[in-house]
Amino acid sequence: GAVVSQHPSRVICKSGTSVKIECRSLDFQATTMFWYRQFPKQSLMLMATSNEGSKATYEQGVEKDKFLINHASLTLSTLTVTSAHPEDSSFYICSAADFFEQYFGPGTRLTVT
Amino acid sequence: SQELEQSPQSLIVQEGKNLTINCTSSKTLYGLYWYKQKYGEGLIFLMMLQKGGEEKSHEKITAKLDEKKQQSSLHITASQPSHAGIYLCGADNSGTYKYIFGTGTRLKVLA
Repeated sequence: GAVVSQHPSRVICKSGTSVKIECRSLDFQATTMFWYRQFPKQSLMLMATSNEGSKATYEQGVEKDKFLINHASLTLSTLTVTSAHPEDSSFYICSAADFFEQYFGPGTRLTVT
Repeated sequence: SQELEQSPQSLIVQEGKNLTINCTSSKTLYGLYWYKQKYGEGLIFLMMLQKGGEEKSHEKITAKLDEKKQQSSLHITASQPSHAGIYLCGADNSGTYKYIFGTGTRLKVLA
């Protein structure tokens, strides 16, 4: 099946710094990519939808200036957590969709100290 | 807005026992997906159901979608420790791939 990778798998950063997470579709071109966040013992929550070459659409309550999404190509989307705070510590999962299915990445665990 | 409720929230069973996890939607589902997640890891796709009354099986796991397409169940037969993890149902209610997810069911299987 299609493979979606995320990098890094784990990152620890200091409060106030920015962190970039990459999401790549490895063997297909993704028309749309999604970013989800999962807090401990909670379900996945959709943060934003991104389409290649256009601005991301953010879900209600998600700060677009804090979570910058760039979808530079059909195989790469990046999520940058700007001025990270400890409350941003979470598990971030991306997914990539082609015309038939949505495939999830392995996730990135962000810890902000 | 649509919500997905899963029950039970957690489950501990003895190896070899059968179990069922339920997922209920407040609205008719376009597609219902079941995923397994190990703690702190990505999602493993299990099954997708789209048609009312549909039932699919893979190895010891069977998933069903009711006729009204608002409730799904995931049944594991003769559970094994390898079945342990978090089971999430996800729904695409508009065909746009914008999923919502259930609250998850944490399964532990005792050897």
